[in-house]
Amino acid sequence: DGGITQSPKYLFRKEGQNVTLSCEQNLNHDAMYWYRQDPGQGLRLIYYSQIVNDFQKGDIAEGYSVSREKKESFPLTVTSAQKNPTAFYLCASSLTSGRSYEQYFGPGTRLTVT
Amino acid sequence: KNQVEQSPQSLIILEGKNCTLQCNYTVSPFSNLRWYKQDTGRGPVSLTIMTFSENTKSNGRYTATLDADTKQSSLHITASQLSDSASYICVVRRRDDKIIFGKGTRLHILP
Repeated sequence: DGGITQSPKYLFRKEGQNVTLSCEQNLNHDAMYWYRQDPGQGLRLIYYSQIVNDFQKGDIAEGYSVSREKKESFPLTVTSAQKNPTAFYLCASSLTSGRSYEQYFGPGTRLTVT
Repeated sequence: KNQVEQSPQSLIILEGKNCTLQCNYTVSPFSNLRWYKQDTGRGPVSLTIMTFSENTKSNGRYTATLDADTKQSSLHITASQLSDSASYICVVRRRDDKIIFGKGTRLHILP
């Protein structure tokens, strides 16, 4: 059963704590992405990776960190430096060859920081 | 400026009726345009993709159109069903692979 999974679905943290969101895919995709979705706004790119051990900052990388040690996994850490961490976080993956390649999204993690 | 504007922000229609969602973009240089459906609390799922040379593409009850000259796209839903209640997101990719997301149209289907 191929797909992209995120865990947990809901996450609650106290302000000042770092938290790591999981993203795993078994689609054999080279590229993986992290987006943040806030009410009334389009998805915003946090980080992306096109190959293992390499990743680039997206439009809103401040306060976040990632790693890409395995092709299948692209965890996102929301650090205490992120000023407004409460949001819906979406992970996606895609092939990297051909411009018609589709991004496949995970089910998302809703993070609430109080 | 590379932007994707969707209208309306939200739409309420009765089950069985048709509706059309709009997407205007200023993204350049254009590569392709996708429509995604996002159920509440879930990740987006692709409905259609359209390239510069394509005018119309259908996926079941969903029909997307693209006018690359006026930089407009629409998504028409025929004979709406309760399961069509979702957000519909227009996404434009540039030739340098940068992806720009619209804010989405929230569609509510009433029984």
